[in-house]
Amino acid sequence: DAKTTQPPSMDCAEGRAANLPCNHSTISGNEYVYWYRQIHSQGPQYIIHGLKNNETNEMASLIITEDRKSSTLILPHATLRDTAVYYCIVGNPQGGKLIFGQGTELSVKP
Amino acid sequence: GAGVSQSPSNKVTEKGKDVELRCDPISGHTALYWYRQRLGQGLEFLIYFQGNSAPDKSGLPSDRFSAERTGESVSTLTIQRTQQEDSAVYLCASRQGTSGSNEQYFGPGTRLTVT
Repeated sequence: DAKTTQPPSMDCAEGRAANLPCNHSTISGNEYVYWYRQIHSQGPQYIIHGLKNNETNEMASLIITEDRKSSTLILPHATLRDTAVYYCIVGNPQGGKLIFGQGTELSVKP
Repeated sequence: GAGVSQSPSNKVTEKGKDVELRCDPISGHTALYWYRQRLGQGLEFLIYFQGNSAPDKSGLPSDRFSAERTGESVSTLTIQRTQQEDSAVYLCASRQGTSGSNEQYFGPGTRLTVT
């Protein structure tokens, strides 16, 4: 079973920041938070991951709360091409399977 | 460089027939994963290969499903005596090594339709 809880859908206006929340209250000390997204009819694409510090890369920022029980993925300036299902996953950095939940379907609107 | 490739991209088969799905991982990636995604659903883990270790088969739904991997290269997922509930997109992913981010690179998938 997935260890994360996400809202099923969100809307965002083009050019605005998209903030996608995720709850992972049962995360263990050595587990990371990973974010992937899946654009329609494509395979999932890695976005970002983190352990406890906030992370930023060219695609997004990841904010993890101090107790690590929740996180937020931020797309700073959403475009129409960011419309996708976003998956928040808790897992082991040493490898193994990723348990995908239902994700959040983000719709970026003009 | 080349990403993960899968073939065929689409496969239509009759109920009861066997099918083989192929995955070519990124060169040098030691870990390989198979997932299944039914229409409108999230991904279900099927099987994981890591180097020469015994594969993690914990996600295979029945003994009709099997997978092989030749060294650190091509993998084949075989479904015997296909059923209509096997209709789904089958996704393959690969990852470099066992340390680091566990960042998995996915292929485009094979869409299997069982009639």
